[in-house]
Amino acid sequence: DTGVSQDPRHKITKRGQNVTFRCDPISEHNRLYWYRQTLGQGPEFLTYFQNEAQLEKSRLLSDRFSAERPKGSFSTLEIQRTEQGDSAMYLCASSLYTDTQYFGPGTRLTVL
Amino acid sequence: DAKTTQPTSMDCAEGRAANLPCNHSTISGNEYVYWYRQIHSQGPQYIIHGLKNNETNEMASLIITEDRKSSTLILPHATLRDTAVYYCIVRVKGTGTASKLTFGTGTRLQVTL
Repeated sequence: DTGVSQDPRHKITKRGQNVTFRCDPISEHNRLYWYRQTLGQGPEFLTYFQNEAQLEKSRLLSDRFSAERPKGSFSTLEIQRTEQGDSAMYLCASSLYTDTQYFGPGTRLTVL
Repeated sequence: DAKTTQPTSMDCAEGRAANLPCNHSTISGNEYVYWYRQIHSQGPQYIIHGLKNNETNEMASLIITEDRKSSTLILPHATLRDTAVYYCIVRVKGTGTASKLTFGTGTRLQVTL
């Protein structure tokens, strides 16, 4: 399967710890998006990259969040000093320019 | 991106057609209509998209009204595996834009025996 993959699928952490998630996009896709989804809501945009450049960040992306895509391939999303409000599903999607976005399975984060 | 309005929930009997409506009365000329669905605890799955003309693929058909202010997603023969939340999204596809997806709360489709 050559779709979008995310790792880990589930993460449980204690409040105050740092966590990092990884996303591997579809290989020829130059755009990579991160979204967050809380219970009962639709996904919300966090940030996106075109190749290695981070071109837009949502106001939802607080200073404790940082995303990278160093070689224009995989991306990481790090959350520092996690809070209970960070508990959510973190979704990654990729596309070729502005074509259709394809999503990965998501990483479910639980902060205790 | 234009806002969309969808019913909160719908039921459909297995084997029957499921018709999911979406209103997007403020859609702009360069905005496409996209449909995704999300089965419980999975990532959203792309279904279909269109600009003006009706579209069909192996999963569904998309009917867009002539004034483009509303659309209907049709699953011709719904199965239990089609039970999911269906999102109707309008977005710009032009270069120089983020083309991010703005999800609402979608329609929860329950397919029953």
